Amino acid sequence: TQLLEQSPQFLSIQEGENLTVYCNSSSVFSSLQWYRQEPGEGPVLLVTVVTGGEVKKLKRLTFQFGDARKDSSLHITAAQPGDTGLYLCAGAETSYDKVIFGPGTSLSVIP
Amino acid sequence: NAGVMQNPRHLVRRRGQEARLRCSPMKGHSHVYWYRQLPEEGLKFMVYLQKENIIDESGMPKERFSAEFPKEGPSILRIQQVVRGDSAAYFCASSPSVLNYGYTFGSGTRLTVV
Repeated sequence: TQLLEQSPQFLSIQEGENLTVYCNSSSVFSSLQWYRQEPGEGPVLLVTVVTGGEVKKLKRLTFQFGDARKDSSLHITAAQPGDTGLYLCAGAETSYDKVIFGPGTSLSVIP
Repeated sequence: NAGVMQNPRHLVRRRGQEARLRCSPMKGHSHVYWYRQLPEEGLKFMVYLQKENIIDESGMPKERFSAEFPKEGPSILRIQQVVRGDSAAYFCASSPSVLNYGYTFGSGTRLTVV
């Protein structure tokens, strides 16, 4: 059974600080996705990484896919209150499999 | 609005009633996925459908739950004889192809069973 673990579960930081959240699995994934979900809304796709070692940047967000394609990280530079939300990683074992989700990291950025 | 449309946003049902949740995928998307989310938890896969076909229902409870995606009209997730444990947020997502490089989610239906 594929499982995705995320850490930390909760994170509360001051505006302007940097942070990293992690997504780990014992399984190899063909791709990993990161989503952000705000209360009362559906998840919104931030990025998809497909190649081991791949790094993608989205403004102040940097995503990395591990070389072995079993883990991923999301680094946020100079966090802002608008970054507050639930960050979910998700992946699939093959390109045709259903996507499974980790439990999420709940981020709170305090002004 | 070309996004994934789910309705209703909120649904209250008494124990034993039926709940019908609707999802219209993004224009051009023929692959639909249903997920369930409990408070403080991630999303749990329920079912994957293409037009008129159920592709993967490995996450669906064996009883009381069913899903369809007819040739015309929205995808429907149906829960018969609801129980309190069915209370959750149900999300629908769609994608344009079978390749899972990212889903577009709707805003969800929040089901409360009283």
